[in-house]
Amino acid sequence: EAGVTQFPSHSVIEKGQTVTLRCDPISGHDNLYWYRRVMGKEIKFLLHFVKESKQDESGMPNNRFLAERTGGTYSTLKVQPAELEDSGVYFCASSPDRGRGGYTFGSGTRLTVV
Amino acid sequence: AQSVTQLDSHVSVSEGTPVLLRCNYSSSYSPSLFWYVQHPNKGLQLLLKYTSAATLVKGINGFEAEFKKSETSFHLTKPSAHMSDAAEYFCVVSYTGTASKLTFGTGTRLQVTL
Repeated sequence: EAGVTQFPSHSVIEKGQTVTLRCDPISGHDNLYWYRRVMGKEIKFLLHFVKESKQDESGMPNNRFLAERTGGTYSTLKVQPAELEDSGVYFCASSPDRGRGGYTFGSGTRLTVV
Repeated sequence: AQSVTQLDSHVSVSEGTPVLLRCNYSSSYSPSLFWYVQHPNKGLQLLLKYTSAATLVKGINGFEAEFKKSETSFHLTKPSAHMSDAAEYFCVVSYTGTASKLTFGTGTRLQVTL
């Protein structure tokens, strides 16, 4: 089966600009997660979708971040306007069953805000 | 709050010698524990997982980990390191009732020398 696909793999933008990250989960996986690793820190949970609904968005840092999952398929994470501290690697993961069968992670998007 | 501590940020071993990567978790009811690995420019790959079955868990590529409740530890071991094992390793925990949210350790970078 195809894995979790994220794009772009890298993005460099200026402070104040908008960036949209995309994640395509494994087909049929209802659960989709976003995580982020900022420089020198641990990977942290951002939010969890079950199909198109946000199940848990307690990790979203502030209202500059907007996640959507239209139709319960792919998901986007928009950062508007981007700030320097948003730089890091954004990971997406999917699971068919909230993790009991495991989580499959994408390769991540490395975002650099300059 | 749930937490996981990786005791070493960097570990260096010679090829052919044993690997030990240490992990402790905060005590809680029914933790699920995972080890993930990230090779350069790759996604996070699941090495193994513990979900309240056998306490000694065997994973891919010769890795294994032992769940020790009395010590709240889940150390990762491999009898003989290979050059291809050089990567960053993450100890990860999730708990029943947290909607499958994963909590990551800060990572251990494994270097393998000739």
